[in-house]
Amino acid sequence: DTAVSQTPKYLVTQMGNDKSIKCEQNLGHDTMYWYKQDSKKFLKIMFSYNNKELIINETVPNRFSPKSPDKAHLNLHINSLELGDSAVYFCASSPAGRVSPLHFGNGTRLTVT
Amino acid sequence: SQQGEEDPQALSIQEGENATMNCSYKTSINNLQWYRQNSGRGLVHLILIRSNEREKHSGRLRVTLDTSKKSSSLLITASRAADTASYFCALRMNRDDKIIFGKGTRLHILP
Repeated sequence: DTAVSQTPKYLVTQMGNDKSIKCEQNLGHDTMYWYKQDSKKFLKIMFSYNNKELIINETVPNRFSPKSPDKAHLNLHINSLELGDSAVYFCASSPAGRVSPLHFGNGTRLTVT
Repeated sequence: SQQGEEDPQALSIQEGENATMNCSYKTSINNLQWYRQNSGRGLVHLILIRSNEREKHSGRLRVTLDTSKKSSSLLITASRAADTASYFCALRMNRDDKIIFGKGTRLHILP
């Protein structure tokens, strides 16, 4: 059973389109995250939700909107896609508490043409 | 910057040798974590060391933390081909709940 699953695995789209990436975790974790990994492998936090409440919102363009319908799901919607949005997007989850590791999905490779 | 800085950026060693990667940082942390990322996959948590700990072991992994120098090292002993991956340190910040990643060390184990 996949603990943190993301769909789709690959996403190729044109500039200006709107797309969504879905994430689900079956670990019973309270906190979920979105990270962006660029072509140089740099991993940057975008958002964090704790039990459906937004707790971290980094300096991300407001074209990116996370949505958490319940604590097991955290989706990422991106409007008006730009070339610079091309990256691998990772969803992760963790239990409550600061001494808790992250559990990552396998990523969604987004290519904007 | 808040992130950790791994050193070296890339490392190639012969199978069976030990691999050492370092992570330096500038801010106050609650804990430091190491993750592995195989090509095309998500990150996998390896080991966590709290700010009041100096050394931890897990199998062939040994992590040290020196909070006075704001640095950590990850030692992989008796390396195997399967250890080929990128390794990242991640900082759990004290002032907020962010987990900030470094840029990683690409480790290549030569047969």
